[in-house]
Amino acid sequence: QVTLKESGPALVKPTQTLTLTCTFSGFSLTTSQMRVGWVRQTPGKALEWLARIDWDGDKFYSTSLKTRLTISKDTSKNQVVLTMTNMDPVDTATYYCSRIAGGLYFDYWGQGTLVTVSS
Amino acid sequence: EIVLTQSPGTLSLSPGESATLSCRASQSISSSYLAWYQQKPGQAPRLLISGASSRAAGIPDRFSGSGSGTDFTLTISRLEPEDFAVYYCQQYATSRSYSFGQGTKLEIK
Repeated sequence: QVTLKESGPALVKPTQTLTLTCTFSGFSLTTSQMRVGWVRQTPGKALEWLARIDWDGDKFYSTSLKTRLTISKDTSKNQVVLTMTNMDPVDTATYYCSRIAGGLYFDYWGQGTLVTVSS
Repeated sequence: EIVLTQSPGTLSLSPGESATLSCRASQSISSSYLAWYQQKPGQAPRLLISGASSRAAGIPDRFSGSGSGTDFTLTISRLEPEDFAVYYCQQYATSRSYSFGQGTKLEIK
């Protein structure tokens, strides 16, 4: 049974760095072809892909946010971590982690974590 | 960057009717790279269809996907009360990025 769960702060101040952790089970990021990504959803409901990390350590980022994002993995803990620097109120959103099947689509999702950026 | 445009924005139908949701890409994409999701309030998106027409595990056969090139369709036949939700299409680009449509809200008439 595949599960993912996001954790991190619910509130961050503008200019701060956000760190989110995705803890998953039911698969391993040491297994070939496994990939995990992050997607966020703004209060207006738009979905936006942020980043992806692959079993072999390859990393890919949204072009528009690339300079602010870092994705990493800790395979011993079955975790993927996303950091986003210089947070702004427009970054207020629900952040989801998801397994990416075949590199093409998001087959399992976490429940999401709401992050509010406010002073 | 490929932009996905979904229509209509809102679709009002009654249970038992059929729904046709459209997703149009700004340029041609491989059918293998097109997926559909359902999202209910307070929940994460749920994968319905991958590869434009393959239902995900556990998805009822009243959900079907079709299309190619730039035009893709999600059809839901015999609407059940639990089908009223927001639906998103998503594409994978060979540049190893992903994008979503803006969503279609299916509401009870």
